[in-house]
Amino acid sequence: DAGITQSPRHKVTETGTPVTLRCHQTENHRYMYWYRQDPGHGLRLIHYSYGVKDTDKGEVSDGYSVSRSKTEDFLLTLESATSSQTSVYFCAISQGVGETQYFGPGTRLLVL
Amino acid sequence: ELKVEQNPLFLSMQEGKNYTIYCNYSTTSDRLYWYRQDPGKSLESLFVLLSNGAVKQEGRLMASLDTKARLSTLHITAAVHDLSATYFCAVDSTYSGGGADGLTFGKGTHLIIQP
Repeated sequence: DAGITQSPRHKVTETGTPVTLRCHQTENHRYMYWYRQDPGHGLRLIHYSYGVKDTDKGEVSDGYSVSRSKTEDFLLTLESATSSQTSVYFCAISQGVGETQYFGPGTRLLVL
Repeated sequence: ELKVEQNPLFLSMQEGKNYTIYCNYSTTSDRLYWYRQDPGKSLESLFVLLSNGAVKQEGRLMASLDTKARLSTLHITAAVHDLSATYFCAVDSTYSGGGADGLTFGKGTHLIIQP
């Protein structure tokens, strides 16, 4: 397995609270991504990063922000969680554009 | 907007049979990926198809890509129970003019192989 960890692996929170999910890689890959997976939707891209402090929006970025201060860490923040953000969140990494993306173990988030 | 459609979305089959999963996409791209996901687990990369006519095989699975038809197929030969999983195809948005360096996924094919 590619060296990708996500924390926490499970989280329950209440509507309106801030939540931060962490993705950590030991592969020194340049690109990192955050996806969410929901039944009937497959996976959808939230944000991605193409280098330290270089990030951009994906398909479903509303309500999410990201930061990447180090190559190995990519943080996803829900500023004020809503029930519609209940999902499984996957981080992925790749060496470059068009290269295979490798996925982390996922974080299950429940917003009550 | 890039759209990726898989069919069928659900497939129940018997061991020993052959079947094909189809993946259509809406805009030009020459990079297509197949992933496998077991229940409650992460996604595992199966194949990367990088050009028109590309064919990759691993065990009982074979994937192909026809960029002109915007179609990829995942063929299962003589299915065994261990291949039960959800299979996703994904298209690289960068190569389809989507502008984002990410993948657009199909909704997945939930495959059950019964003894």
